[in-house]
Amino acid sequence: DAEITQSPRHKITETGRQVTLACHQTWNHNNMFWYRQDLGHGLRLIHYSYGVHDTNKGEVSDGYSVSRSNTEDLPLTLESAASSQTSVYFCASRVALNTGELFFGEGSRLTVL
Amino acid sequence: AQKITQTQPGMFVQEKEAVTLDCTYDTSDQSYGLFWYKQPSSGEMIFLIYQGSYDEQNATEGRYSLNFQKARKSANLVISASQLGDSAMYFCAILSGGYQKVTFGTGTKLQVIP
Repeated sequence: DAEITQSPRHKITETGRQVTLACHQTWNHNNMFWYRQDLGHGLRLIHYSYGVHDTNKGEVSDGYSVSRSNTEDLPLTLESAASSQTSVYFCASRVALNTGELFFGEGSRLTVL
Repeated sequence: AQKITQTQPGMFVQEKEAVTLDCTYDTSDQSYGLFWYKQPSSGEMIFLIYQGSYDEQNATEGRYSLNFQKARKSANLVISASQLGDSAMYFCAILSGGYQKVTFGTGTKLQVIP
């Protein structure tokens, strides 16, 4: 079955370190997204991608970067982790149609000490 | 810019009763879509229902229906005959930017009382 997977599921790191969260989908979806979920803020869009070599900033992109070198993967990198980036991160993908629902990964819980 | 507003941080409903979760949106796009997702305490995101901006009829999926009022820019979720398993966070989202960008609201926590 096609799926979307995130790794690692849990990570603890220190302030200032670089962290990369992986996202891999096997649906061949063009659209991919990264969100962070924090209490009281819902899901906030970090970055999104229309397709290979395309990336776009969302509402809370500062301190994060993504790259899309193939259809299947959209890794999220925190260049220099900050305590404010402690959160649960969700990756999602969808087919690029007007009715395509988002399929979510299981989430990655990141703690920055 | 696109924005989703969910003004009810938390709600209670009696089992077997109907409940309406509010969602208003703001977009300058003529073509857009609206989603509702459920997030139980286990954390996964579950797709419930979708409404396109040009759909003339309100979307329905089993016990879920979307009350779409385009002029008011509202897309409320109605859950009929609530069940204990409906206790969860519910998120409204808008698909915009040429159907490429999805923006979520802050969510409503629904608790179903036996």
